[in-house]
Amino acid sequence: NAGVTQTPKFQVLKTGQSMTLQCAQDMNHNSMYWYRQDPGMGLRLIYYSASEGTTDKGEVPNGYNVSRLNKREFSLRLESAAPSQTSVYFCASSEAQGPAFFGQGTRLTVV
Amino acid sequence: AQKITQTQPGMFVQEKEAVTLDCTYDTSDQSYGLFWYKQPSSGEMIFLIYQGSYDEQNATEGRYSLNFQKARKSANLVISASQLGDSAMYFCAMREPRSSGSARQLTFGSGTQLTVLP
Repeated sequence: NAGVTQTPKFQVLKTGQSMTLQCAQDMNHNSMYWYRQDPGMGLRLIYYSASEGTTDKGEVPNGYNVSRLNKREFSLRLESAAPSQTSVYFCASSEAQGPAFFGQGTRLTVV
Repeated sequence: AQKITQTQPGMFVQEKEAVTLDCTYDTSDQSYGLFWYKQPSSGEMIFLIYQGSYDEQNATEGRYSLNFQKARKSANLVISASQLGDSAMYFCAMREPRSSGSARQLTFGSGTQLTVLP
């Protein structure tokens, strides 16, 4: 039962470097999400994809891009990492009205 | 304005006792969903319980129940017979049909850290 799989689990970047966080789900869900979690602030939505081929900005999209490669995969790209992007990143998927199921998270540090 | 408010940053409960974690929400939609998640120290997000806005009965899942008071816009989580393994951060979340141009996103509160004492 893989559910939602994120890679990598940990990453350290230097300011200005780029990277892509990968996410795949095997639950045949239409909707996928990227959240970031910072201490004391809960989870904030970065980007959302209602279905293959569509993406929408969430609450904090600046500095990020996403690609919904197919129904299973939804990647998050940081083009030029900044220390303010140090956070824990979660990918999730859901059916339209159902609960979201989350990956294990990626702990990203930008130095 | 906050869409989801969790006013208790931290809570303590004695093992085997019940505890209520508060959640209030703000929406003008008639159709919405409310969710609770548990995040243990290992970091994963675990779905616990769901309440739809049109559900007449309070949702229950094992030791978890949701005290849904629609007029007060509250959706409190009740954990009965607390166990040491219940120590974790708990998040309340809401899904609206459409919010700020992004359809069906989940909005989370800031969480409540629950500690169960032996």
